[in-house]
This record gives sequence, C-alpha cells and structure tokens, in this order.
Amino acid sequence: GENVEQHPSTLSVQEGDSAVIKCTYSDSASNYFPWYKQELGKRPQLIIDIRSNVGEKKDQRIAVTLNKTAKHFSLHITETQPEDSAVYFCAANSNSGGSNYKLTFGKGTLLTVNP
Amino acid sequence: DAGVIQSPRHEVTEMGQEVTLRCKPISGHNSLFWYRQTMMRGLELLIYFNNNVPIDDSGMPEDRFSAKMPNASFSTLKIQPSEPRDSAVYFCASSPPGTLYEQYFGPGTRLTVT
Repeated sequence: GENVEQHPSTLSVQEGDSAVIKCTYSDSASNYFPWYKQELGKRPQLIIDIRSNVGEKKDQRIAVTLNKTAKHFSLHITETQPEDSAVYFCAANSNSGGSNYKLTFGKGTLLTVNP
Repeated sequence: DAGVIQSPRHEVTEMGQEVTLRCKPISGHNSLFWYRQTMMRGLELLIYFNNNVPIDDSGMPEDRFSAKMPNASFSTLKIQPSEPRDSAVYFCASSPPGTLYEQYFGPGTRLTVT
C-alpha cells in the first residue's frame, strides 16, 4: 500500500519568513496530492491540492510543487503570519477496492510562526 | 451549506460499553470516509463508502468496529465493546462526485474510554 513520509515534524519560523514542508510517497500510481491544515482542536481543512499532470500550483501565499519522478511534493508558505500556526498534513491517493479515493496521510508538521 | 455534521462531539464511556458515532455528509456528496486520529498513529482511514456501499474496510482495527451507511445522508460507526485504546478523535469526511478525491472533514467526535 501507499506510504507517505513527511518532514520535518516540527518547524518554527519568524513572522514574515518562508516555511517549507516536504513529503515523499511510494505508490507510483498516485495522482492526487492534497495538503490539509489543522488548528488545535479543529478539523483538518483542505488548503491546496495538486494533481499529477502539473508540477506546481499557487494560491496567494501558498504553493505546492510535485516531482513525480522522485515521488516527492512540497508545501511552500511565504510571508508567514501567526495565524498560519497549525499542524499541516500532506496526503497521497492510492487504489483501494478498485477506486483511487483512498488518501494516506503523512504524520503531520507542527508549524509555529513567532511574532 | 452546513458542512459535514457529526454527533456527539464528545463521548466519555466505560470500557465494555457500546459506542455509536454518527455522521451526516454534505448534501450531494456520494463518498463518505471514517478516520481515526491519535498522537501515536496520526490520521488513519478506517472505512469508506461510495454511493452507500462499503468499498474498503481494511483499516477497521478489529471485529469490535462496524460501520453502516443505510442512506446517502447518514452513516454510523459502532464500537462494541469499547476499550481504552479506542480513545481518539474520530472524523467523518465526505467527497462530492466528479471532483476526484477532495474530502471535507466534519468537526470530529472525541471519544474517551475509561
């Protein structure tokens, strides 16, 4: 089955700096890679995703890159703000029961943005 | 749009008791997922349904866990009998047709088994 590794497990940055979180996956058939943000005590929320037919996607201060050859993808947050502090999860889809809807999640990265 | 609705939000029960968690997916969504989140194991998929049919239940830990989806707007996850190691936050998520995998999570049920 799919295996998703996420690094680092914790990341502390100063407000205004950039933050980068990296993930690797094992299933070469994976074609969907979402990122979720989870604030303390809240639900995971989808913030951005990328599909295997593109190498990069950007939405304001966040961007994702995908390298299918190397099987890794990354989340980039620029001009970080204290409200960006949360746990970020990457995920990759895989085939299960004949469909590709199953998501396997990384273990998460606790991002702290210091004012 | 009310989003995915889960109940109860918190549940405290004693070991050996039956626990039932409930989920109402977003109207129009045809895929539903049950996840368990713990510090040690992270976010794990337990089971998912497509058009009310269970597609993959390989993540269900053992026979004490069961899930049903009797119609498009309701699903339950039952644990019988419950054990302290079942303590976790259980999330339900739903996904609309044709969007290729985007999942929207409910607020979760925090289960504590003493």
